[in-house]
Amino acid sequence: QKEVEQDPGPLSVPEGAIVSLNCTYSNSAFQYFMWYRQYSRKGPELLMYTYSSGNKEDGRFTAQVDKSSKYISLFIRDSQPSDSATYLCAMSVNDYKLSFGAGTTVTVRA
Amino acid sequence: DTAVSQTPKYLVTQMGNDKSIKCEQNLGHDTMYWYKQDSKKFLKIMFSYNNKELIINETVPNRFSPKSPDKAHLNLHINSLELGDSAVYFCASSLSPAKNIQYFGAGTRLSVL
Repeated sequence: QKEVEQDPGPLSVPEGAIVSLNCTYSNSAFQYFMWYRQYSRKGPELLMYTYSSGNKEDGRFTAQVDKSSKYISLFIRDSQPSDSATYLCAMSVNDYKLSFGAGTTVTVRA
Repeated sequence: DTAVSQTPKYLVTQMGNDKSIKCEQNLGHDTMYWYKQDSKKFLKIMFSYNNKELIINETVPNRFSPKSPDKAHLNLHINSLELGDSAVYFCASSLSPAKNIQYFGAGTRLSVL
């Protein structure tokens, strides 16, 4: 079993829809939870990070962490074609390593 | 101002050659990393340096040698390139291992012919 599981998709939604992405994990020691967006042929761009449990909102993006269920989510409201990308979850204990999910490819149709 | 910059962006070379990729960060971070992203987009850690000291060396062939002249730079030298080395290599940095929020460069796309 992988340490971080993420459905690779692909996920296709119409413009304006809510995009819902999630990851599950097995290591209960994870404390930092991150979401990265990667456009084709570009580097991963940090979207949001959360420390421990809870929700965090930034504009159209909301990140949620449920440590009891070992489950994290990213919601994108009012999705735009420019949101079409691969979204990677990543998580870390207080050490040097990030454990990444496989990434979910999202297409927002105009 | 690019926070984490890598050069070159593209590298096309023949099997058996030696090549280097350079990385610089201007974020004042102590920790830097090299990742390899394969064709399936999975990011795999290769090395990590904290304050010029090697911390992580994942199962990477010793043809790959990182060098950190100072904490703002982490270069990657690859000897005797093989076809299987073709991938995208990303540099990243974080403030510290305790706050391991990593920022990535744009990547170097290496093609070995």
